Formats: sequence, C-alpha cells, structure tokens
Amino acid sequence: AQSVTQLDSHVSVSEGTPVLLRCNYSSSYSPSLFWYVQHPNKGLQLLLKYTSAATLVKGINGFEAEFKKSETSFHLTKPSAHMSDAAEYFCVVTPYSSASKIIFGSGTRLSIRP
Amino acid sequence: DTGVSQNPRHKITKRGQNVTFRCDPISEHNRLYWYRQTLGQGPEFLTYFQNEAQLEKSRLLSDRFSAERPKGSFSTLEIQRTEQGDSAMYLCASSLMGQGADGYTFGSGTRLTVV
Repeated sequence: AQSVTQLDSHVSVSEGTPVLLRCNYSSSYSPSLFWYVQHPNKGLQLLLKYTSAATLVKGINGFEAEFKKSETSFHLTKPSAHMSDAAEYFCVVTPYSSASKIIFGSGTRLSIRP
Repeated sequence: DTGVSQNPRHKITKRGQNVTFRCDPISEHNRLYWYRQTLGQGPEFLTYFQNEAQLEKSRLLSDRFSAERPKGSFSTLEIQRTEQGDSAMYLCASSLMGQGADGYTFGSGTRLTVV
C-alpha cells in the first residue's frame, strides 16, 4: 500500500527566505511522487513530478524537490519565498507513473510574512 | 476548452435532502475522477470512470452516493439523504487513459454544506 505523510500542517516564512515543506512516503513499489498546489478558489495545479529519472526535480515557480530513497522523503524547497506562494501544498504518491488512482497527503498550508 | 468545469460552486442543503453535482471534463479526456476533500485534509479518492464505465469505487462511497457518466462526457455525483458528515469539497478531475497524476486536470470543486 502507498501513503504519504506531510510532516507539517502549517509553515510560515518571511518573504525572500527559503521554503521547506516536508513529505515522507511509504510504497511497496518504486513510486511516482508529485507535489500539487491549491490556491483558494482554484483547482489543484501540478508543481512537479518524480518518476524514477533524476532525483532532483525542478518544477514551476522556482520550486524543487529531491527524492531520497534511503530516507523515503520527497521534500519541496524554494530558495526565496514570494507572497504569491501562499497556498496549500499536497504531496502525492502513486505506485507507478500511469496509476489511475492517486493518494494525497493531508496538506501543508504555507503562509508568507511580509 | 477552458478546463474542467464543476457546478455549482457552492451548495447549502438541509440534512436529509438530495443533492447532485455536475462535472464537465476536458473534452478529449476519457478518464474522469471524483475526490472528496474535508477541512484540513487532502483529497480522498471516491470513484473514476473510463469513458462511460465506472471502473473503481472507494469504500468511502456509501450506498447514498451514486455517480454516472452516461455518454462518456460529463458526469454527475448524487448524494441522497445528505448528512452533516457529507459536508466537504467535491473535486472532479479528468485525464487521458494511461496518464498518471501529472496528466490530471482538476476542477475548482463544489463545496457542499449540510445544515
């Protein structure tokens, strides 16, 4: 069975400082991992994906994530936070890249202080 | 094509009433998914269709819930005899068969409040 655990329900950072959103996964297979972002009153948007190619994945809006198998982690980072980054972020796992069903973590709300 | 459209955006209903939500997917997408998101949680899988066939249903989908995709295009999700525990955001997504999570397009959701 697959699952993801987002270690922080809320993260608050100052504008211009680094962002770290933590995600640990559990999977019986080599998983595919994703990060989604959800802005208020908008649909979920894909930020980036890992599907067994490069372990450091670059996404949109300056976000990156690194797949670490030894730590079963897939943390999301950004060097410098912007006010527009304030949103809910979800880590997602599937057992393989074309799986029909995806499993979401419980989400991390990112707040940006001016 | 403007993406996945869900209607209504908000629905307030009294306990015991029936409600129906509609999802219009991206026209060329043959897969359609329903998820439910409660406050403070990530979306949870409810069911999905490939064309008009309902291929999988979650145990979360009690017998009060029914979903259809009659012509393989739009889909409806009906909840009968609503309960306060049904209050949630109901999300629809569509994709092409064989695509994973990176191929999903989500709608903005229908927020249901049962009073």
